[in-house]
Amino acid sequence: EPEVTQTPSHQVTQMGQEVILRCVPISNHLYFYWYRQILGQKVEFLVSFYNNEISEKSEIFDDQFSVERPDGSNFTLKIRSTKLEDSAMYFCASILGQGNSPLHFGNGTRLTVT
Amino acid sequence: AQSVTQPDIHITVSEGASLELRCNYSYGATPYLFWYVQSPGQGLQLLLKYFSGDTLVQGIKGFEAEFKRSQSSFNLRKPSVHWSDAAEYFCAVGVDRGSTLGRLYFGRGTQLTVWP
Repeated sequence: EPEVTQTPSHQVTQMGQEVILRCVPISNHLYFYWYRQILGQKVEFLVSFYNNEISEKSEIFDDQFSVERPDGSNFTLKIRSTKLEDSAMYFCASILGQGNSPLHFGNGTRLTVT
Repeated sequence: AQSVTQPDIHITVSEGASLELRCNYSYGATPYLFWYVQSPGQGLQLLLKYFSGDTLVQGIKGFEAEFKRSQSSFNLRKPSVHWSDAAEYFCAVGVDRGSTLGRLYFGRGTQLTVWP
């Protein structure tokens, strides 16, 4: 069964540094998402992306965050200047977009900001 | 605003016992409802979903859930739990955005421990 793949599985960075989290959605999917889960808290929506533009974003997704689909396969989340509170598990997800198709999640990238 | 409540933070059951994990949601229209499972170090795996139709939905690994509109609930059940079911379980409600699914709102999760 096709999967959403995320790299790296764990990233450690220093406060103020830029990080790029990478995702390869399922190949025929049309809608892409980023969610995050701070340790011990709920999984939270960050942003959705369709047709090369953001279709929806949450209040968490401020100017420090950006998303991009640089080619036909990758979907990236960039955090420009990381803060300690950005430490979390970041999940990429994709959906076919038709009817009642479900959301498929990747295994996540654990980001640790020191 | 949409929200999901999972009232049980941690549940412990014996292997072979039945299981029910509770989920209540708040949403103005007919929701799309999901249960996901997360094992340590793993991603979110979809157990089952409800979009419309039969309110009792079957999922993978022997799980089922029932949508009760009058109670705004979508409880997850399994008749006989296996040790491998130990994991964290998340209920989520999705927003219909016409051609696709909008953002999901997740509950805080229920950690399931299974005693041998």
